[in-house]
Amino acid sequence: GAGVSQSPSNKVTEKGKDVELRCDPISGHTALYWYRQSLGQGLEFLIYFQGNSAPDKSGLPSDRFSAERTGGSVSTLTIQRTQQEDSAVYLCASSLGTGGRAFFGQGTRLTVV
Amino acid sequence: KQEVTQIPAALSVPEGENLVLNCSFTDSAIYNLQWFRQDPGKGLTSLLLIQSSQREQTSGRLNASLDKSSGRSTLYIAASQPGDSATYLCAARSGGATNKLIFGTGTLLAVQP
Repeated sequence: GAGVSQSPSNKVTEKGKDVELRCDPISGHTALYWYRQSLGQGLEFLIYFQGNSAPDKSGLPSDRFSAERTGGSVSTLTIQRTQQEDSAVYLCASSLGTGGRAFFGQGTRLTVV
Repeated sequence: KQEVTQIPAALSVPEGENLVLNCSFTDSAIYNLQWFRQDPGKGLTSLLLIQSSQREQTSGRLNASLDKSSGRSTLYIAASQPGDSATYLCAARSGGATNKLIFGTGTLLAVQP
């Protein structure tokens, strides 16, 4: 596609439910990132995928968070047993290789009620 | 551990002024540095990417400089316009095995007509 696509754009879920957020990177981009932006806060790194290498999961805040990237393309971020503090905008980005310019999607706004 | 700081946190200028946004990073072993803008409720738009071997990059009214030895980057905006109002973020990409982007907390710019 022309840009990074994220779905859904908005998600409201009840506390304790699981959610899946999807990211379609730019075709051909080998690097994919997930970030979280809480209200009024900066961007918090979550996880980074590069090609077939093991992902850098160092930013995942707890074991309730996981992400996978299938076939080197689409990525899914899963949050299990959601908590209210998980409410944030989840942003995905992709880049051509490790040193290329990063392009971001419009984000998924997650609200846990 | 890389830490990125942006000063000032907020800036208000009259239309037509030239202005400088500052970005500092603690680990000079960066691969590159990227500047983004973020409009309210939107994702990030890439503005400029400076590789570690470069000193500056220019795009239209924007000029970004990089001084690795002092751990600083600046974004210069010439002849500011109300449409430039947004939050500006810098992100340092670490070299080596870790390629994640570390973001500053941003500068909120308001250009008054």
